[in-house]
Amino acid sequence: QVQLVQSGPELRMPGSSVKVSCKASGATFNTYAFNWVRQAPGQGLEWMGGIIPIFGSPRYAQRFQGRVTISADESTSTAYMDLSSLRSEDTAVYYCARGRGTYSFKDSFDVWGQGTMVTVSS
Amino acid sequence: QSALTQPPSASGTPGQRVTISCSGDNSNIGGNFVYWYQHLPGSAPKLLIYEDNQRPPGVPARFSGSKSGTSGLLAISGLRSEDDADYYCATWDNALSGPVFGGGTKLTVL
Repeated sequence: QVQLVQSGPELRMPGSSVKVSCKASGATFNTYAFNWVRQAPGQGLEWMGGIIPIFGSPRYAQRFQGRVTISADESTSTAYMDLSSLRSEDTAVYYCARGRGTYSFKDSFDVWGQGTMVTVSS
Repeated sequence: QSALTQPPSASGTPGQRVTISCSGDNSNIGGNFVYWYQHLPGSAPKLLIYEDNQRPPGVPARFSGSKSGTSGLLAISGLRSEDDADYYCATWDNALSGPVFGGGTKLTVL
C-alpha cells in the first residue's frame, strides 16, 4: 500500500520561503511522477509542478516559474517543494500527489499526501 | 480562471442520479483523458475516474464518467449522504504542457 506522508504545518513571514517534504513508502519511487497541488482558502485545486525522480528534470506551471523548486531524493524516497518570495496569497494547503502510471506526467493522481498547511502572515 | 469549466454547485436527494459537467477545448479535453476527483473537507482529494471512464479499485460503480468532444461528464447514481463533497475534473493541457483542473463543483445531498 503506497503512502505519501508530508511534513507539518508552517508559518512564514511575507518574503520568506518554505520547503515542504513528501516521503513515499510502499512502492517504487523513482519511476513515478510526484506532483504538487495546492488549494488556497475558498479556491480550487491548482497544479504547481512535478518531478519524475529517475529523469531528474522538474516541470513547473508557468505561473510559478522562478518561485518554485521541486526536487527529489531517491535515497530517502522523498520529494520536496520549495516556494520562495512568499506572499499572503500563497496561504494554502499544499498536497503532493503521485501519478498513476510510470514515466509520465500525463496521468491522473492516484495517491495523495495528507496535505500541509502553509500560512503566510506577518 | 480555470482552463476547465464546471458548474459551481449541484444538488440532489438520496437515491437520485446527478451529473456534473466539465467543459474544455481542443488543447485539453479534446485530445486527452479526463479525470475526476472527490474532495471532502479536511481530507486529501481522491481519484474517482481516470482515462475518461475507468474506476480505480474501491470506487463504487455508482460513479461513472464519460467524454464527448471537449466535454467530460461525471454521473453519480443512487446518491448517498456521504457523496456530499467537492468534485473536480482534470486533464492534460497541450498548450500549457501540464495538468489543469476545473474550478470544482460543490455537490450538496439534500
